[in-house]
Amino acid sequence: ETGVTQSPTHLIKTRGQQVTLRCSSQSGHNTVSWYQQALGQGPQFIFQYYREEENGRGNFPPRFSGLQFPNYSSELNVNALELDDSALYLCASSSLGQGGTEAFFGQGTRLTVV
Amino acid sequence: AQTVTQSQPEMSVQEAETVTLSCTYDTSESDYYLFWYKQPPSRQMILVIRQEAYKQQNATENRFSVNFQKAAKSFSLKISDSQLGDAAMYFCAYTLSGTYKYIFGTGTRLKVLA
Repeated sequence: ETGVTQSPTHLIKTRGQQVTLRCSSQSGHNTVSWYQQALGQGPQFIFQYYREEENGRGNFPPRFSGLQFPNYSSELNVNALELDDSALYLCASSSLGQGGTEAFFGQGTRLTVV
Repeated sequence: AQTVTQSQPEMSVQEAETVTLSCTYDTSESDYYLFWYKQPPSRQMILVIRQEAYKQQNATENRFSVNFQKAAKSFSLKISDSQLGDAAMYFCAYTLSGTYKYIFGTGTRLKVLA
């Protein structure tokens, strides 16, 4: 167990709808990164939040947005859902500036867009 | 741009035998980390082993070891005495030191035959 929890575990949405995914970081960690893992692919970096500010973004459109809260938990929001957004969404908790060496992943949220 | 390539979509190994999974990467940076993660059907990304680029000695964790060839930008994973519980997707990943922004390969599905 990594101490990183994501909710919900599964979700089905209709094309055009909006969705919010949640991630609770490991205790003591100040950074959360989000990844999209399409079926049969490796995870792709969406963005990272450090101390409530976006700290880098991958090649994803603006309809993918996020938030990080003072307790370092995080949300991933996706607007105007498309069929291709169907994927496993992973969050990873880490500690920027505190000398750690790896991030710790949650179990993911499986999003299906129909 | 950094890239990670896993050229073996699927590998099989007999129980108790040894198997090697391949990974190559491309970067112009000198301070980075490489990882192997295991992703079983439960979807949780589990860290198998990590390698700091500045360390010449290959990392070892029990039955798992790596062959890190920095000049060739190669990072293979050797699993000795394979067990049925080793069956999973294995992902090679790269990150610049201190950023926690991972670049993953496309994965290798490992099957362990009884």
